[in-house]
Amino acid sequence: DAGVIQSPRHEVTEMGQEVTLRCKPISGHDYLFWYRQTMMRGLELLIYFNNNVPIDDSGMPEDRFSAKMPNASFSTLKIQPSEPRDSAVYFCASSFGTGHGYTFGSGTRLTVV
Amino acid sequence: GENVEQHPSTLSVQEGDSAVIKCTYSDSASNYFPWYKQELGKRPQLIIDIRSNVGEKKDQRIAVTLNKTAKHFSLHITETQPEDSAVYFCAASKRTGGGNKLTFGTGTQLKVEL
Repeated sequence: DAGVIQSPRHEVTEMGQEVTLRCKPISGHDYLFWYRQTMMRGLELLIYFNNNVPIDDSGMPEDRFSAKMPNASFSTLKIQPSEPRDSAVYFCASSFGTGHGYTFGSGTRLTVV
Repeated sequence: GENVEQHPSTLSVQEGDSAVIKCTYSDSASNYFPWYKQELGKRPQLIIDIRSNVGEKKDQRIAVTLNKTAKHFSLHITETQPEDSAVYFCAASKRTGGGNKLTFGTGTQLKVEL
């Protein structure tokens, strides 16, 4: 298994531009999570899905952020318009069932200038 | 919601010594407690976990203990080696109708000095 696959690994964009981050979870995992990591705020849960359905999006900072999971093997996190304070590492993770640890992807390092 | 506090934020030990990282949680319904290790520029990786029906779990040089009454759990690393240097995160979750949300601590930067 290739693990959780995220793309791109690095993204540099100008303020105001749309950014789309992509994630392919481990096959068979029914939970998918999007986290944001910064020095100041640590690991923050943005949103998570169960069987492709969004369960909790209370961590999404504001309306500029949206996430979709059209099928069991693909999810996107979109920021529009992007702002410098969105600069962070965004991790996708997946797991199987409840009470199990996550497998994280390699992350996308986003820089908004 | 759940709140997880982690101490210390930085920890420096000599190679061969033991290291202990402590976490407390607020929600008595939490029943799953994993620990992650994150090396610089890498992804967090699960190193050990414990469930609320167990008080201690060991895996080679790593052990985790859980005190449900006090709502705290700890990571113990014995015979530390330079490759143990990393940031360690504790986390907690519970089975709810919605599932599997982990709340993470703020991390401990462990440095193992030669």
